[in-house]
Amino acid sequence: DAGVIQSPRHEVTEMGQEVTLRCKPISGHNSLFWYRQTMMRGLELLIYFNNNVPIDDSGMPEDRFSAKMPNASFSTLKIQPSEPRDSAVYFCASSWTGVGEQFFGPGTRLTVL
Amino acid sequence: KNQVEQSPQSLIILEGKNCTLQCNYTVSPFSNLRWYKQDTGRGPVSLTIMTFSENTKSNGRYTATLDADTKQSSLHITASQLSDSASYICVVSAVSGGSNYKLTFGKGTLLTVNP
Repeated sequence: DAGVIQSPRHEVTEMGQEVTLRCKPISGHNSLFWYRQTMMRGLELLIYFNNNVPIDDSGMPEDRFSAKMPNASFSTLKIQPSEPRDSAVYFCASSWTGVGEQFFGPGTRLTVL
Repeated sequence: KNQVEQSPQSLIILEGKNCTLQCNYTVSPFSNLRWYKQDTGRGPVSLTIMTFSENTKSNGRYTATLDADTKQSSLHITASQLSDSASYICVVSAVSGGSNYKLTFGKGTLLTVNP
């Protein structure tokens, strides 16, 4: 198995632009998580899907952030409009169950100028 | 408020030495506690997952302990190697209705193993 796949690996954009991050979970996993990691705040859970349904989005910072999971093998995290404070590494993870071991992707390093 | 505190924030040791990382939490109702290792530039990788009834769990040179009464966990690394240099993150899961749960993350301990 290729593991969790994220794209792009690096994204540099200007303030105000729309950013879309993509994730392909491990086949057969029914839970998918989006995280943000910064030096100041550490790792933060943004949103959690179970069977493609958003279960907990309380970590989504504001309306500029949105996440979708149209099917079991694909999810997106969109930021519109982006701001410099959104600069961080965004991780996607998947697991067999909501409480099981999570497997993380390599992350997307986002820089908003 | 659910919180996870890790100590120390950073640690430098010599190759071959042992070390212990600490995690204290105030998360309830407790579901499980996980230790992750995160190498620089990579995603976290699970080392151990411990439930309420488990006191000790080992993964090679890594041994995690859990005291659910005092809400403390430790990660002991034996005979450290240069490849152990990484950030170690403690994550505690709380049950949040049915099969749902909430994760609370520690900020991690940055371990540097020097030759």
